[in-house]
Amino acid sequence: QSALTQPASVSGSPGQSITISCTGTSSDVGGYNYVSWYQHHPDKAPKLIIYEVTNRPSGVSNRFSGSKSGNTASLTISGLQAEDEADYYCNSYTSSTTWVFGGGTKLTVL
Amino acid sequence: QVQLVESGGGVVQPGRSLRLSCTASGFTFNSHAMHWVRQAPGKGLEWVTFISHDAKYTFYADSVKGRFTISRDNSKNTIYLQMNRLRDDDTAVYYCARDLTDRYSCDYWGQGTRVTVSS
Repeated sequence: QSALTQPASVSGSPGQSITISCTGTSSDVGGYNYVSWYQHHPDKAPKLIIYEVTNRPSGVSNRFSGSKSGNTASLTISGLQAEDEADYYCNSYTSSTTWVFGGGTKLTVL
Repeated sequence: QVQLVESGGGVVQPGRSLRLSCTASGFTFNSHAMHWVRQAPGKGLEWVTFISHDAKYTFYADSVKGRFTISRDNSKNTIYLQMNRLRDDDTAVYYCARDLTDRYSCDYWGQGTRVTVSS
């Protein structure tokens, strides 16, 4: 159950777009369309922003979008806003009937 | 509205036990599977365990298998995490989360309860 690989940090200016990658294996990211993304502000509950690779829950801004190619999933945030500054985690269901998170990416809005 | 409230955290010595609870409201509890997820200080999120809506299925991360047990009481809208043989690296904030049915993700989370394992 090795953690999925994410960059430790990304940054962007307001209005720009950024993309966070999430690399796993054929036993998790590559094997299932069950990749989700969570936004986590310090001392708050994590928030689901993408499920099943590309789907947004009701109420989540369409500035957030997800995709996948092979063993790598990606989260793109367009039109960056100050409130997007947070930690972002990818997550995947695995062939071992477990779930695995990525190590997390700290987004800084410059 | 959906609410999940964790309780039971605290300071415990290595090797001892602790039981966490998560009480749900605002939805049909017995229709949803549930998860526990934790975050150690300065670290990322770590999935811990899952229980199906009817408690028929449970799954665990390797790091807790054999030491932790998840259970639920649908009459009380509550899930539990029995943590035995606690270790220093179990120190974390523990979140319960509702499973988004058939979507393999967690759509609602509690605020977490802090567990510190220390002598």
